[in-house]
Amino acid sequence: QSALTQPASVSGSPGQSVTISCTGTSGDVAGYQFVSWYQHRPGQAPKLVIYDVFYRPSGVSDRFSGSKSGTTASLAISGLQAEDEGDYYCALYTSIPTPNWVFGGGTRLTVL
Amino acid sequence: QVQLVESGGGVVQSGGSLRLSCAASKFSFSLYGMHWVRQAPGRGLEWVAFIHYDEHNRYYADSVKGRFTISRDNPKNTLYLDMNDLRPDDAAVYYCVRKPGGNFFDFWGQGALVTVSS
Repeated sequence: QSALTQPASVSGSPGQSVTISCTGTSGDVAGYQFVSWYQHRPGQAPKLVIYDVFYRPSGVSDRFSGSKSGTTASLAISGLQAEDEGDYYCALYTSIPTPNWVFGGGTRLTVL
Repeated sequence: QVQLVESGGGVVQSGGSLRLSCAASKFSFSLYGMHWVRQAPGRGLEWVAFIHYDEHNRYYADSVKGRFTISRDNPKNTLYLDMNDLRPDDAAVYYCVRKPGGNFFDFWGQGALVTVSS
């Protein structure tokens, strides 16, 4: 099962934009469109914010956007708000050798 | 709104067993695959296990293979995780999570805390 690398922390001021990266290998992130992103605020259940690289679920703010280039997927958050503070995780589904899902190590977003 | 409520968490000695349950409501449980995902204290999320909607296929993380069993009772709208030979590094909050048509996790429960004492 592969490993996905995220920065431990990012920060930004209200109104600014931040980007969180999720780096895998040519065998996983580069080859699959099944990258998703989750917001996890303290004391709450994780929440899906992006799926299949760039699709946004109904009800998620359009300030959240996803992309992928080569072996790196990215989550961008524009117009930072205090409520965006929390931990963000990328996840990847692969079918090799058997179906499995792997999470990145998580990134703590601090809104200054 | 989808509801997933975990129960069965608690304190267990190393080598012991525990069964987690997840009561699902406000959606057609029998039509969805389901996962268990865990988060150890101070650590990130870790996928644990998945079961297809009809139980025909089940998959496990290497870290729990052979010790944990995922199952479901569709008429009772309930998902289970049987955990045997528990180790201290199995201590975590365990989340019951729904899998929609795609390969991601769309709705999460609030979690059940499992503590393993050595």
